[in-house]
Amino acid sequence: NAGVTQTPKFRILKIGQSMTLQCTQDMNHNYMYWYRQDPGMGLKLIYYSVGAGITDKGEVPNGYNVSRSTTEDFPLRLELAAPSQTSVYFCASSAQGGRWNQPQHFGDGTRLSIL
Amino acid sequence: ELKVEQNPLFLSMQEGKNYTIYCNYSTTSDRLYWYRQDPGKSLESLFVLLSNGAVKQEGRLMASLDTKARLSTLHITAAVHDLSATYFCAVDEETSGSRLTFGEGTQLTVNP
Repeated sequence: NAGVTQTPKFRILKIGQSMTLQCTQDMNHNYMYWYRQDPGMGLKLIYYSVGAGITDKGEVPNGYNVSRSTTEDFPLRLELAAPSQTSVYFCASSAQGGRWNQPQHFGDGTRLSIL
Repeated sequence: ELKVEQNPLFLSMQEGKNYTIYCNYSTTSDRLYWYRQDPGKSLESLFVLLSNGAVKQEGRLMASLDTKARLSTLHITAAVHDLSATYFCAVDEETSGSRLTFGEGTQLTVNP
């Protein structure tokens, strides 16, 4: 059972470049999330989705975009990379949302450096 | 805006000792989660607390929730080195549906 899979695991980008962080889950979870974790800090929510075709902003959405065309996939797009986006990015999923008693399951993270 | 505060942020303790990590939050919620993160790794779910007075225990860790005080505790009993990690609490704000707000984390080091 793979759970939540993120690719790539590491990436270095130049300022102004674009990239897409991939996230896929095989648990048929309807809720999916993207977080960023800066060094020594907790996680901050970037975007989330309650189902295919539905996305919404979290606490720190600026500079990012998402789409959710299928239940399994929730890619995160950085359009114009900036040094402030250097961080570790975690994707997570949960069944029917946290209110249904299920914790969020996290992927292994993507470590992104913008130079 | 929901705020979640953990203390202490750093905790160094000896094996065999007991200690408590505190998680305070600023708004009404009866959904609180504890996660563990090892260095360079992902987050692992430890406990899900879903009502006032909820208490969960797993091995040397016990978590509780007091929704009236807006406080959760994670108690460590007879610490062992394997418990060294960063522990996060996360609160599901009632009006947000299923969005979690995380505390900054408590970095626990258990020394022999």
